[in-house]
Amino acid sequence: QKEVEQDPGPLSVPEGAIVSLNCTYSNSAFQYFMWYRQYSRKGPELLMYTYSSGNKEDGRFTAQVDKSSKYISLFIRDSQPSDSATYLCAMSALYNAGNMLTFGGGTRLMVKP
Amino acid sequence: DAMVIQNPRYQVTQFGKPVTLSCSQTLNHNVMYWYQQKSSQAPKLLFHYYDKDFNNEADTPDNFQSRRPNTSFCFLDIRSPGLGDAAMYLCATSREIGLAKNIQYFGAGTRLSVL
Repeated sequence: QKEVEQDPGPLSVPEGAIVSLNCTYSNSAFQYFMWYRQYSRKGPELLMYTYSSGNKEDGRFTAQVDKSSKYISLFIRDSQPSDSATYLCAMSALYNAGNMLTFGGGTRLMVKP
Repeated sequence: DAMVIQNPRYQVTQFGKPVTLSCSQTLNHNVMYWYQQKSSQAPKLLFHYYDKDFNNEADTPDNFQSRRPNTSFCFLDIRSPGLGDAAMYLCATSREIGLAKNIQYFGAGTRLSVL
Protein backbone atom coordinates (compact mmCIF):
# COMPACT_ATOMS: atom_id res chain seq x y z
CA GLN A 1 0.00 0.00 0.00
CA LYS A 2 1.32 3.42 -0.94
CA GLU A 3 1.75 5.97 1.83
CA VAL A 4 -0.37 8.49 -0.07
CA GLU A 5 -3.18 7.45 -2.39
CA GLN A 6 -4.74 9.71 -4.99
CA ASP A 7 -7.23 8.84 -7.71
CA PRO A 8 -5.42 9.48 -11.02
CA GLY A 9 -8.57 10.49 -12.88
CA PRO A 10 -8.99 12.02 -15.34
CA LEU A 11 -11.75 14.04 -13.77
CA SER A 12 -13.77 15.92 -16.37
CA VAL A 13 -16.15 18.70 -15.31
CA PRO A 14 -17.99 21.54 -17.07
CA GLU A 15 -16.83 25.11 -16.55
CA GLY A 16 -18.30 26.61 -13.38
CA ALA A 17 -18.58 23.30 -11.53
CA ILE A 18 -17.30 22.72 -8.02
CA VAL A 19 -14.39 20.30 -8.08
CA SER A 20 -13.38 18.03 -5.22
CA LEU A 21 -9.94 16.45 -5.25
CA ASN A 22 -8.90 14.04 -2.52
CA CYS A 23 -6.00 12.14 -1.01
CA THR A 24 -5.84 9.49 1.67
CA TYR A 25 -2.74 8.63 3.62
CA SER A 26 -1.57 6.00 6.06
CA ASN A 27 1.17 7.71 8.08
CA SER A 28 -0.39 9.34 11.14
CA ALA A 29 2.81 11.38 11.67
CA PHE A 30 2.01 13.62 8.70
CA GLN A 31 1.25 17.12 9.94
CA TYR A 32 1.77 19.43 6.96
CA PHE A 33 -0.31 19.07 3.86
CA MET A 34 0.17 20.75 0.53
CA TRP A 35 -1.45 20.90 -2.84
CA TYR A 36 0.61 21.48 -5.95
CA ARG A 37 -0.75 22.19 -9.43
CA GLN A 38 1.21 20.87 -12.39
CA TYR A 39 0.41 21.97 -15.91
CA SER A 40 1.38 19.66 -18.73
CA ARG A 41 5.16 19.55 -19.23
CA LYS A 42 5.77 22.03 -16.41
CA GLY A 43 7.03 21.76 -12.84
CA PRO A 44 4.65 21.66 -9.87
CA GLU A 45 3.66 24.99 -8.32
CA LEU A 46 2.46 25.29 -4.75
CA LEU A 47 -1.23 26.14 -4.43
CA MET A 48 -1.96 25.77 -0.75
CA TYR A 49 -0.59 24.34 2.46
CA THR A 50 -2.29 23.56 5.76
CA TYR A 51 -1.11 22.44 9.14
CA SER A 52 -2.87 19.67 11.02
CA SER A 53 -6.66 19.51 10.76
CA GLY A 54 -8.99 22.22 9.55
CA ASN A 55 -9.84 24.34 6.54
CA LYS A 56 -7.97 26.99 4.66
CA GLU A 57 -9.41 29.18 1.95
CA ASP A 58 -7.66 31.18 -0.76
CA GLY A 59 -9.87 32.67 -3.43
CA ARG A 60 -11.63 29.89 -5.29
CA PHE A 61 -9.57 27.21 -3.53
CA THR A 62 -10.31 25.56 -0.18
CA ALA A 63 -8.05 22.97 1.41
CA GLN A 64 -9.48 20.68 4.04
CA VAL A 65 -7.70 18.24 6.34
CA ASP A 66 -9.33 15.52 8.41
CA LYS A 67 -6.55 13.86 10.37
CA SER A 68 -8.89 11.48 12.17
CA SER A 69 -9.82 9.98 8.81
CA LYS A 70 -6.38 10.54 7.24
CA TYR A 71 -8.10 12.34 4.39
CA ILE A 72 -7.40 15.66 2.70
CA SER A 73 -9.35 17.53 0.08
CA LEU A 74 -8.97 20.45 -2.29
CA PHE A 75 -12.14 22.17 -3.47
CA ILE A 76 -12.18 24.44 -6.49
CA ARG A 77 -15.20 26.69 -6.87
CA ASP A 78 -16.34 28.14 -10.19
CA SER A 79 -13.84 25.99 -12.06
CA GLN A 80 -12.25 27.46 -15.18
CA PRO A 81 -10.65 25.84 -18.23
CA SER A 82 -7.36 27.31 -16.96
CA ASP A 83 -7.68 25.03 -13.92
CA SER A 84 -7.12 22.04 -16.20
CA ALA A 85 -3.95 20.47 -14.82
CA THR A 86 -2.71 17.65 -12.64
CA TYR A 87 -3.12 18.26 -8.92
CA LEU A 88 -0.62 16.64 -6.59
CA CYS A 89 -1.09 16.36 -2.87
CA ALA A 90 2.05 16.27 -0.73
CA MET A 91 2.64 15.92 2.96
CA SER A 92 5.40 15.82 5.53
CA ALA A 93 5.88 14.83 9.14
CA LEU A 94 6.94 17.42 11.67
CA TYR A 95 10.34 15.98 12.44
CA ASN A 96 11.00 13.35 9.80
CA ALA A 97 14.45 13.10 8.35
CA GLY A 98 15.06 16.23 6.37
CA ASN A 99 11.38 17.07 6.36
CA MET A 100 10.97 15.39 3.00
CA LEU A 101 7.71 15.52 1.12
CA THR A 102 5.69 12.44 0.24
CA PHE A 103 3.63 12.98 -2.90
CA GLY A 104 0.46 11.42 -4.18
CA GLY A 105 0.44 10.31 -7.79
CA GLY A 106 -1.71 13.25 -8.92
CA THR A 107 -5.24 13.68 -10.25
CA ARG A 108 -5.66 14.98 -13.78
CA LEU A 109 -8.46 17.54 -13.99
CA MET A 110 -10.08 18.69 -17.22
CA VAL A 111 -12.49 21.64 -17.13
CA LYS A 112 -14.47 21.90 -20.33
CA PRO A 113 -15.76 25.26 -21.61
CA ASP B 1 10.43 35.80 -13.00
CA ALA B 2 11.63 32.23 -12.88
CA MET B 3 13.29 31.47 -9.56
CA VAL B 4 14.33 27.87 -10.22
CA ILE B 5 15.65 27.46 -13.73
CA GLN B 6 16.33 24.15 -15.38
CA ASN B 7 18.29 23.64 -18.56
CA PRO B 8 17.72 22.28 -21.03
CA ARG B 9 13.93 21.89 -21.11
CA TYR B 10 14.27 18.88 -23.40
CA GLN B 11 17.25 16.58 -23.67
CA VAL B 12 17.69 13.66 -26.01
CA THR B 13 20.56 11.27 -25.39
CA GLN B 14 21.65 7.89 -26.61
CA PHE B 15 21.58 4.72 -24.58
CA GLY B 16 24.71 4.68 -22.42
CA LYS B 17 25.84 8.21 -23.30
CA PRO B 18 26.45 10.36 -20.21
CA VAL B 19 24.19 13.35 -19.80
CA THR B 20 24.13 16.32 -17.41
CA LEU B 21 21.08 18.31 -16.43
CA SER B 22 21.41 21.75 -14.88
CA CYS B 23 19.49 23.65 -12.23
CA SER B 24 20.04 27.16 -10.93
CA GLN B 25 18.16 29.19 -8.36
CA THR B 26 17.89 32.86 -7.48
CA LEU B 27 16.23 32.28 -4.10
CA ASN B 28 19.45 31.73 -2.15
CA HIS B 29 17.88 28.63 -0.63
CA ASN B 30 20.02 26.21 1.33
CA VAL B 31 18.41 23.04 0.05
CA MET B 32 18.24 21.75 -3.50
CA TYR B 33 16.47 18.57 -4.55
CA TRP B 34 16.37 16.38 -7.63
CA TYR B 35 13.25 14.37 -8.41
CA GLN B 36 12.46 11.91 -11.17
CA GLN B 37 8.86 11.93 -12.42
CA LYS B 38 7.55 9.36 -14.87
CA SER B 39 4.28 9.77 -16.69
CA SER B 40 1.24 9.92 -14.39
CA GLN B 41 3.38 9.15 -11.33
CA ALA B 42 4.37 11.04 -8.24
CA PRO B 43 7.76 12.78 -8.24
CA LYS B 44 10.37 10.44 -6.76
CA LEU B 45 13.12 12.03 -4.72
CA LEU B 46 16.59 11.02 -5.93
CA PHE B 47 18.75 13.11 -3.57
CA HIS B 48 19.10 16.48 -1.99
CA TYR B 49 21.81 18.87 -0.90
CA TYR B 50 21.65 20.79 2.32
CA ASP B 51 24.27 23.40 1.59
CA LYS B 52 27.21 21.21 0.57
CA ASP B 53 26.02 18.10 2.38
CA PHE B 54 24.83 15.48 -0.07
CA ASN B 55 21.99 13.13 0.91
CA ASN B 56 21.23 10.19 -1.29
CA GLU B 57 17.93 8.30 -1.12
CA ALA B 58 18.49 4.64 -0.37
CA ASP B 59 16.94 3.40 -3.60
CA THR B 60 18.58 5.89 -5.97
CA PRO B 61 20.68 3.94 -8.49
CA ASP B 62 24.43 4.54 -8.57
CA ASN B 63 23.97 5.63 -12.17
CA PHE B 64 22.69 8.95 -10.83
CA GLN B 65 25.13 11.43 -9.36
CA SER B 66 24.90 15.06 -8.40
CA ARG B 67 27.15 18.07 -7.92
CA ARG B 68 26.55 21.37 -6.23
CA PRO B 69 29.51 23.66 -6.91
CA ASN B 70 27.90 26.66 -5.20
CA THR B 71 24.64 27.78 -3.60
CA SER B 72 23.03 28.70 -6.90
CA PHE B 73 23.78 25.69 -9.07
CA CYS B 74 23.14 21.98 -8.89
CA PHE B 75 23.74 19.36 -11.57
CA LEU B 76 22.32 15.90 -12.15
CA ASP B 77 24.67 13.52 -13.93
CA ILE B 78 23.39 10.29 -15.41
CA ARG B 79 26.46 8.24 -16.15
CA SER B 80 25.00 5.58 -18.45
CA PRO B 81 21.36 6.34 -19.26
CA GLY B 82 19.12 3.39 -19.89
CA LEU B 83 15.73 3.35 -21.57
CA GLY B 84 14.14 3.23 -18.12
CA ASP B 85 15.70 6.58 -17.23
CA ALA B 86 13.53 8.45 -19.71
CA ALA B 87 11.47 10.76 -17.52
CA MET B 88 10.89 14.33 -16.41
CA TYR B 89 13.61 15.48 -13.99
CA LEU B 90 12.53 18.14 -11.56
CA CYS B 91 14.77 20.38 -9.50
CA ALA B 92 13.35 22.00 -6.38
CA THR B 93 14.63 24.25 -3.61
CA SER B 94 13.58 25.05 -0.07
CA ARG B 95 14.90 27.60 2.36
CA GLU B 96 15.73 25.09 5.05
CA ILE B 97 15.00 21.55 6.14
CA GLY B 98 13.44 20.53 9.40
CA LEU B 99 11.19 23.59 9.41
CA ALA B 100 7.54 23.40 10.24
CA LYS B 101 6.55 23.71 6.64
CA ASN B 102 8.75 22.40 3.90
CA ILE B 103 7.73 24.63 1.01
CA GLN B 104 9.54 23.49 -2.08
CA TYR B 105 9.77 25.57 -5.22
CA PHE B 106 10.09 23.65 -8.44
CA GLY B 107 11.67 24.38 -11.77
CA ALA B 108 9.89 23.68 -15.04
CA GLY B 109 11.68 20.36 -15.41
CA THR B 110 13.87 18.72 -18.03
CA ARG B 111 12.25 16.03 -20.12
CA LEU B 112 14.84 13.38 -20.93
CA SER B 113 14.47 11.00 -23.83
CA VAL B 114 16.82 8.04 -24.27
CA LEU B 115 17.18 6.55 -27.75
